[in-house]
Amino acid sequence: DAKTTQPPSMDCAEGRAANLPCNHSTISGNEYVYWYRQIHSQGPQYIIHGLKNNETNEMASLIITEDRKSSTLILPHATLRDTAVYYCIVRVGVDSWGKLQFGAGTQVVVTP
Amino acid sequence: EAGVAQSPRYKIIEKRQSVAFWCNPISGHATLYWYQQILGQGPKLLIQFQNNGVVDDSQLPKDRFSAERLKGVDSTLKIQPAKLEDSAVYLCASSLLYARGYEQYFGPGTRLTVT
Repeated sequence: DAKTTQPPSMDCAEGRAANLPCNHSTISGNEYVYWYRQIHSQGPQYIIHGLKNNETNEMASLIITEDRKSSTLILPHATLRDTAVYYCIVRVGVDSWGKLQFGAGTQVVVTP
Repeated sequence: EAGVAQSPRYKIIEKRQSVAFWCNPISGHATLYWYQQILGQGPKLLIQFQNNGVVDDSQLPKDRFSAERLKGVDSTLKIQPAKLEDSAVYLCASSLLYARGYEQYFGPGTRLTVT
């Protein structure tokens, strides 16, 4: 699977949008971009995934560049509960055999 | 719906002892995963089951780690004998065979300290 590059940390003010970048320059055509987050002392939680189109759900929006070499996760109105480590992962296909290979992620701290 | 259950939540053992972790996945989830998360790192997949068969155990240290999923539901992960470097959080996750994004649902984990 392709590797991803994320900044190690970022801060965000409560109520503002948080834009989390991810580089995946070696992504293959059949690899999806997944985002998970892990709040302290909890297991990771699925946020969103996409192939090439932008995606939005109740938690976040995912913007994937046209060349698919990078993406941005957008938390539209960050709250203190969004403080977590955010992982960007590329994964082959959407079947259960596709591994999730977690990197170190981005530590996001939302401040009042 | 009930989430992924794991026990115990915490365990402290001495090196060379053995330890076992238990996981009960979400009802109906055919796929079960065990991950190891060392402090400061992302989770690393140890083994993946599809029902009661192993799909991927390429990163499982088979000389000391073993896992089973009898009857395709609950699973146990065992370490025997434990080493200091096994200190980590062990996470269990499950997913439906066919579902939106095959998202994995994680349990709270078991924090293992080997002294």
